[in-house]
Amino acid sequence: ETGVTQTPRHLVMGMTNKKSLKCEQHLGHNAMYWYKQSAKKPLELMFVYSLEERVENNSVPSRFSPECPNSSHLFLHLHTLQPEDSALYLCASSQVWAFTYEQYFGPGTRLTVT
Amino acid sequence: AQSVTQPDIHITVSEGASLELRCNYSYGATPYLFWYVQSPGQGLQLLLKYFSGDTLVQGIKGFEAEFKRSQSSFNLRKPSVHWSDAAEYFCAAAAFKAAGNKLTFGGGTRVLVKP
Repeated sequence: ETGVTQTPRHLVMGMTNKKSLKCEQHLGHNAMYWYKQSAKKPLELMFVYSLEERVENNSVPSRFSPECPNSSHLFLHLHTLQPEDSALYLCASSQVWAFTYEQYFGPGTRLTVT
Repeated sequence: AQSVTQPDIHITVSEGASLELRCNYSYGATPYLFWYVQSPGQGLQLLLKYFSGDTLVQGIKGFEAEFKRSQSSFNLRKPSVHWSDAAEYFCAAAAFKAAGNKLTFGGGTRVLVKP
């Protein structure tokens, strides 16, 4: 595997379910990001981890819980989601946490909340 | 508040024709500017970026962009479009001391290429 991978690619879950999204980067980067891409809305940054420490949380509801166990893996734990949480969730990584460094994106997980 | 605007939601262009995608930003100072492309079923890929210097920036896949300070614009161009250029294009901006260490994205422009 190369680059940034995300699993699953598609996920359908009920509002009472608990599920997790997984992201893995094979680039040796130190920063990882979660973005939300909704229809008709700009890409929204959700969380940033730098050297496994959360450094940014953009007012994301607590039903989204990120986890970064090491610099190569990033998870987004989901519970009691709402239909408006249906979106494409993108993971990205960069060499360091600075916008001057290119972010490399995974293909995303398409989440549908029913 | 900082913002990035892409006025065109959809653009249709014939294969071989030229393409120009518009991007305007609103920042207190000149931001760092980026263009990303998202092909169907894929994540975003950086096409080019502008930090300073020459206002005409060359990127990958034959794209270029021109920074115009007076118009607060950073338009993306390609002289001759290929069918594989059908994708969604995102302009983004960032600035030190503004909205944290993060990119602000425009809403995107979806490009359809006609044969």
